[in-house]
Order: sequence, then structure tokens, then C-alpha cells
Amino acid sequence: SQQGEEDPQALSIQEGENATMNCSYKTSINNLQWYRQNSGRGLVHLILIRSNEREKHSGRLRVTLDTSKKSSSLLITASRAADTASYFCASPNYGGSQGNLIFGKGTKLSVKP
Amino acid sequence: DTGVSQNPRHKITKRGQNVTFRCDPISEHNRLYWYRQTLGQGPEFLTYFQNEAQLEKSRLLSDRFSAERPKGSFSTLEIQRTEQGDSAMYLCASSLLWAGGPIVDTQYFGPGTRLTVL
Repeated sequence: SQQGEEDPQALSIQEGENATMNCSYKTSINNLQWYRQNSGRGLVHLILIRSNEREKHSGRLRVTLDTSKKSSSLLITASRAADTASYFCASPNYGGSQGNLIFGKGTKLSVKP
Repeated sequence: DTGVSQNPRHKITKRGQNVTFRCDPISEHNRLYWYRQTLGQGPEFLTYFQNEAQLEKSRLLSDRFSAERPKGSFSTLEIQRTEQGDSAMYLCASSLLWAGGPIVDTQYFGPGTRLTVL
């Protein structure tokens, strides 16, 4: 079952603009992770935010986490054509000592030059 | 390259044939995960290993699917009697989970094996 749901499902912007993607999840988490996937490729880990953190930065990425609302957002500033990809949020499933990631369906970002 | 590698990258097979995929994790990682991803969806968990022990396999899609990690290093995923519905991207990920440490398990993914069943 899907844990997270990203919103919007698709986003098209011009190069230089900021892109914001949102993620909602269902159960309690101890961290939330964001991944990028270029078309037909594997996933690249972007950033991990722990449940006791509210905001985290990495280069042009900013992630926020609101555990009371069970939501997270990923902001990409000054977007580039190379940022075109699908972005997924994922949270670990530690129930039953599994530890696998549960992914949403992703946001497909298109950055036009 | 010290990342996760998967072979083959692409596999085309006929319905009813068996296929086997290999995953080589990052060398010091003790956990290895298999996921399946269909078009327009996020990855879906199949199974995982800690060292050579397969700790969860109830999410394997059917008894036609099996996975091994015989020496706690590389892993194989086998699909027997393939069906057209098995066509998907099969992703492997690895991580290093510290015993007794905080549960923060960053998973690193391989490039995937794209399976097409004709």
C-alpha cells in the first residue's frame, strides 16, 4: 500500500523558477526521505529529514516536515532543465522490524529551458 | 564505481520462461532490498535481507518469485514461469543499518533491471 501521496502529480515550470512538491503520509514516522528518478533509471537519494527536524537544506533543496499534519514539502530553488525528473517521498516501514521504504506515486517535474 | 549495480539492465523474455536478476550492493552494506516499479507508480517493496538472512518475503508477489543472498553479498531475484504482468522495473537497494544505533536507514538504489515479458 502507498504510504505517501505526492502533490501535484505533475508540475511544469520554466527554468529559474522554484518548484514545490508536497507529500502526505499516513502513519507515524521517524524519518522521511526524498528521492529523484530520471526517466527509466534508478532512484537517487536526495535528502533525509528526521522526525525531530522541521526543516533541512541541501544545496538548492529545502525540505520541511510537519509531523502534526503528517506532511512534507520539497522545494527546488532556481530550477534547471536537468532537474526534470520524478520526485518521490518515502518513509520507512519499521512495523514488524521491516525497514523497507514505502513510496508515494511521485511528482513528475518538467523544467523547460 | 562503488554504487549498487544490477545486471542485466534490460531483459526481454517470452511468457513462461524463467528469469534471474542479480544485484551487487555497496560492499559494506548489510541490508539489501528488492522493489518492483510499474509505470507511473512508486517502487513497491518485495523482500529484504539482513546479511544472508531473508527477513521478510511475504510481499513477494507470488510463489513464482524467489530471492537469495547466499553469502550476504550479492543477491539474485528469480521469477519462474513469467507472465506478461511481471513486466516492470526491478530495483535493488542497499543500506547499512547500525546495530543499536538510531533507526535511520538511507537506502541507495541501483539502476534497475527492466523486464519485458512478451
